[in-house]
Amino acid sequence: QVQLQQWGAGLLKPSETLSLTCALYGGSFSGYYWSWIRQPPGKGLEWIGEIDHSGSTNYNPSRKSRLTISVDTSKNQFSLKLSSVTAADTAVYYCGRKNRGYDYMDVWGSGTTVTVSS
Amino acid sequence: DIQMTQSPSSLSASVGDRVTITCRASQTISRYLNWYQQKPGKAPKVLIHGASSLESGVPSRFSGSGSGTDFTLSISSLQLEDFATYYCQQSYRTPYTFGQGTKLEIK
Repeated sequence: QVQLQQWGAGLLKPSETLSLTCALYGGSFSGYYWSWIRQPPGKGLEWIGEIDHSGSTNYNPSRKSRLTISVDTSKNQFSLKLSSVTAADTAVYYCGRKNRGYDYMDVWGSGTTVTVSS
Repeated sequence: DIQMTQSPSSLSASVGDRVTITCRASQTISRYLNWYQQKPGKAPKVLIHGASSLESGVPSRFSGSGSGTDFTLSISSLQLEDFATYYCQQSYRTPYTFGQGTKLEIK
C-alpha cells in the first residue's frame, strides 16, 4: 500500500525558513510528480508546486521566489523549503502524489500544521 | 491562473437526498477536472478524476460530468458519511487551482 509520511517544524518565527519532508513507502518513486499543497486555517486548498524523480519542478509563480522543492531518490523523499515566512504562510501543508493521466492527486500525506508567530 | 468557481458554497441536505455541486472554470480545461472530499482534520480524498472517472473504491453514488468550462458532481443518495467539504480542481495547466469548496451539511 502506497503511503506518504511527512514531517517538519511546526512553529516558526517570521522571516525563518519553513522546511518539510515527505517520504514514500510502498510504491515506486519514479514516473510520478510529487506535490505540495497547503490549506490556511478555515480556508481552501492552494497548490504550491511539484517535482519528479529527476528533479524537474513546477512552482506556483505566486511563491516561486521563496520556494525550493527538492528530491532525494536514494531515500524516496522530497522536501519543501519556503523562505522568509510570514503569518500568511500559516497553514496545514500536505504532500501528495500526482497520478498520471488527468494529473490528479491520488495519495496524500496526513498533513503538517505550520504556524508562523512571533 | 485559471479561476475555479464552485456553487453553492454551502448546502444543507438530508440523508437520501440527491445533491449536485457545480464548478466553473475561467477558461476551457477540457476534462482536466478532479473532485475531492475533505472531512475535518483529514487530508482530501479524490472521488472523481478526468471529470467523470470514479476513483477506485469510491461508492457509485458519486458521479461527475462536464467538459470545457462547466462541471458537476452529483451524489445520488446521501449517506451520513458524505457530509463533508467538496473541492473541484483543474489540472489542465499549472498552477493547478481549486474551487473555494462546498460544505455539505446535514439538514
